[in-house]
Amino acid sequence: EVQLVESGGGLVKPGGSLRLSCEASGFTFSTYTMNWVRQAPGKGLEWVSVISSGSTYIHYADSVKGRFTISRDNAKNSLYLQMNSLRAEDTAVYYCARDRSGDDIPDYWGQGTLVTVSS
Amino acid sequence: DIVMTQSPDSLAVSLGERATINCKSSQSVLYNSNNKNYLAWYQQKPGQPPKLLIYWASTRESGVPDRFSGSGSGTDFTLTISSLQAEDVATYYCQQYYNTPYTFGQGTKLEIK
Repeated sequence: EVQLVESGGGLVKPGGSLRLSCEASGFTFSTYTMNWVRQAPGKGLEWVSVISSGSTYIHYADSVKGRFTISRDNAKNSLYLQMNSLRAEDTAVYYCARDRSGDDIPDYWGQGTLVTVSS
Repeated sequence: DIVMTQSPDSLAVSLGERATINCKSSQSVLYNSNNKNYLAWYQQKPGQPPKLLIYWASTRESGVPDRFSGSGSGTDFTLTISSLQAEDVATYYCQQYYNTPYTFGQGTKLEIK
């Protein structure tokens, strides 16, 4: 069974940093492209970042470019999102999502971890 | 960036009736070399992550009931639920994966009339 478990969320002050993790199981993590997608409270979905299986292809939404860094450790079956210079508008549930094999379509999603940026 | 616009924002349909949700992209998401539309539909229930329903605009994900169907090409797409069931109450999102940033529509909230 495919499982994606996010962790690392919490309350952080504006300007602060946080590192999210996503632990994958039930599939060969090293062969799949992975994404981070976020959802502000009561709002819609916003794609944040994508990383290919070998970390050669990385893209970010303009809203986080230069502040967030996506990475992965295939030996640990883990995906990460380093978030720096956090703003109130970064407050959201952050989901990690796996792309379908060979396609750019997130098919499995974790339950998400809540990040709250507030003083 | 490709802007995705859904209509309506909310919709109330009687049980057993048809529900139709529209999605329009600001530029074509049809890739001519493979004739595929890079458009997906997701269902999200409160407190849950999104669930993939449809990809390539009209291909149903494994395990999705056949009352869900997707259609359209280029810039105009439709998600149809042929006979609404109580468990279909949710918010539905379209998403383009033609290029980054991958963008979602604003969502359509579907309720029972």
